Amino acid sequence: NAGVTQTPKFRVLKTGQSMTLLCAQDMNHEYMYWYRQDPGMGLRLIHYSVGEGTTAKGEVPDGYNVSRLKKQNFLLGLESAAPSQTSVYFCASSNNRQGWNTEAFFGQGTRLTVV
Amino acid sequence: GNSVTQMEGPVTLSEEAFLTINCTYTATGYPSLFWYVQYPGEGLQLLLKATKADDKGSNKGFEATYRKETTSFHLEKGSVQVSDSAVYFCALSRGSNDYKLSFGAGTTVTVRA
Repeated sequence: NAGVTQTPKFRVLKTGQSMTLLCAQDMNHEYMYWYRQDPGMGLRLIHYSVGEGTTAKGEVPDGYNVSRLKKQNFLLGLESAAPSQTSVYFCASSNNRQGWNTEAFFGQGTRLTVV
Repeated sequence: GNSVTQMEGPVTLSEEAFLTINCTYTATGYPSLFWYVQYPGEGLQLLLKATKADDKGSNKGFEATYRKETTSFHLEKGSVQVSDSAVYFCALSRGSNDYKLSFGAGTTVTVRA
């Protein structure tokens, strides 16, 4: 059981380059999330999705775009990378059909450095 | 809005010491409360949760009680091991069709043999 899988695990970008982070989950979860983790700031929500074909902004959406064309996949795009986007990115999923107290399952993270 | 405040780390302990990590929250309604743990090089995983006032979540020797009167969800373990070294995150989910998790800043715990 793979759970939540993120690719790539590491990436170095030059300022202005673009890239896409892929998240895949095999648990048939409705909700998917992208967070960034920075020292001393915990995890901050970038974007999230409540189902296939839907997306919504989180706390820190600027500079990022997302797409949820298939229920199992949630893509995070950086159109023009900036050094401020150097961070560890985590994808997560949860199933709201169990109620509002459900656990979120996390991927292992993507460490992105923008130089 | 929703927010979670955790005690700042890092925390360094000796094996078999008592661990407490304070967590307080601000939220409307009746949120669910969680503790997640992140071991080195890994993603977050759920440690324990509580969904209503006075509930006690427990797992792997850790406990936390949902205290609505003090809006707190402090994490405790009576005797820590080196393997408990990790970053611990307090989080809440407000519910009411809002399932997003709001996280605290995280507390780094190092247990020395």
